[in-house]
Amino acid sequence: DAKTTQPPSMDCAEGRAANLPCNHSTISGNEYVYWYRQIHSQGPQYIIHGLKNNETNEMASLIITEDRKSSTLILPHATLRDTAVYYCIVSGTGTASKLTFGTGTRLQVTL
Amino acid sequence: EAGVVQSPRYKIIEKKQPVAFWCNPISGHNTLYWYRQNLGQGPELLIRYENEEAVDDSQLPKDRFSAERLKGVDSTLKIQPAELGDSAVYLCASKPGGSTNEKLFFGSGTQLSVL
Repeated sequence: DAKTTQPPSMDCAEGRAANLPCNHSTISGNEYVYWYRQIHSQGPQYIIHGLKNNETNEMASLIITEDRKSSTLILPHATLRDTAVYYCIVSGTGTASKLTFGTGTRLQVTL
Repeated sequence: EAGVVQSPRYKIIEKKQPVAFWCNPISGHNTLYWYRQNLGQGPELLIRYENEEAVDDSQLPKDRFSAERLKGVDSTLKIQPAELGDSAVYLCASKPGGSTNEKLFFGSGTQLSVL
C-alpha cells in the first residue's frame, strides 16, 4: 500500500473550515484514499473515502487532485469536538488489503 | 445499535504475568481485527479474522501473543508472558463480511500498562 505524508499538527478556529492535506504520490490506480480520526481515549472513527472523484458526507468533504497524488479533507465548520488526530490512509480493495496507519495530523480547534 | 465492545478498559499487570483482552464485534460483522497502538503512534495491525479463520497474522508476535475467535463472533487476544514493551492500547475493530472497502468500526480499546 502507498505511503502518505501529513503535517504533524494544525490549528483551526472554531466555526472556520479545517483543511487537512495529505500527500500520496505513489498511489496506484486501484487504491482508495481513506480518512479516519481518533479523539483522545477513543478508537479511530471512519470519516470518508474516495477513489478519484470528490466525495462529501455528513461529516466532511474529500477533495482528490486530478493526478491523485494528494488530497484534502475539509471539515466545513470545525467545532471543539473535532479536535483529534486525523489519519490519511491509502489502501486497495480485496482480501489482501489492509489499513496502515501513520502518525496522522493532530488538529487543535480553538475558541 | 451497539458498537464494538472491548473489555477491560484498563489493565495494569507486572511483567511476566499473563493478560487477556476480550472483544465483541458488531452483530453480523464477520471480519474482526486486533490492532496495537503505542503512545504517539498510529494503530498497527496484529491479526485479522474472517469468521473463525485467521487470514492475516503476519504481524502477530507468536512467541508470546495468541488470539482466538472460536465461534466466529467474540475474540480474545492473550499475551503470555507480558513484557514492559507490551504497554500499549489494544484495539479491536470489525466490518461486515464480504465488504470490499476498508470502513472499519473500532472499539475504545484496552489500555495495558506493564510494570
